[in-house]
Amino acid sequence: NAGVTQTPKFRVLKTGQSMTLLCAQDMNHEYMYWYRQDPGMGLRLIHYSVGEGTTAKGEVPDGYNVSRLKKQNFLLGLESAAPSQTSVYFCASSSSGSGAFEKLFFGSGTQLSVL
Amino acid sequence: DAKTTQPPSMDCAEGRAANLPCNHSTISGNEYVYWYRQIHSQGPQYIIHGLKNNETNEMASLIITEDRKSSTLILPHATLRDTAVYYCIVRVLGDYKLSFGAGTTVTVRA
Repeated sequence: NAGVTQTPKFRVLKTGQSMTLLCAQDMNHEYMYWYRQDPGMGLRLIHYSVGEGTTAKGEVPDGYNVSRLKKQNFLLGLESAAPSQTSVYFCASSSSGSGAFEKLFFGSGTQLSVL
Repeated sequence: DAKTTQPPSMDCAEGRAANLPCNHSTISGNEYVYWYRQIHSQGPQYIIHGLKNNETNEMASLIITEDRKSSTLILPHATLRDTAVYYCIVRVLGDYKLSFGAGTTVTVRA
């Protein structure tokens, strides 16, 4: 059971380039999330999805777009990368979002550097 | 959301219990306390959660004060592998997401 898989693990971009980060989960989870983590800081929610075909904005959505065309996949896109988007990106999934007993399963992260 | 306050760092001796405090003085009745940890360069990992009763699982124990304004995560026998950043999170029932703060960096020393 792979859990939550993120690709790629590392990426270097030049300012203005675009890219897509892929998150895949094999746990049949309804909810998926994208977080970013800057050095010495906690995780900040970028976007999330409560089911296939749905997306919603989190705390820091500007400069990012997402899509959830298939239940198992959640894509994070950067249309025009900026140095401020240099960060570690984590994807997570959960079986439901609003239940009392709930825990998130996280991927191992993508280290993105924008030069 | 209620906010949490944690010490930025703490040390613990290997084999001893580690007691991690968290203040959540504005917590409301339907908010749960969650603990996650993040080992260096990995994604966060769920540890435990609770509402008002003390909870224990294979990883840790969670003690919540009677007024629910604070809690303590207890790692009963800390090992070097428990070195990590520990996040205390208060989650609104019905909210879809968890909000992570800066957490407590715990260093377990041999």
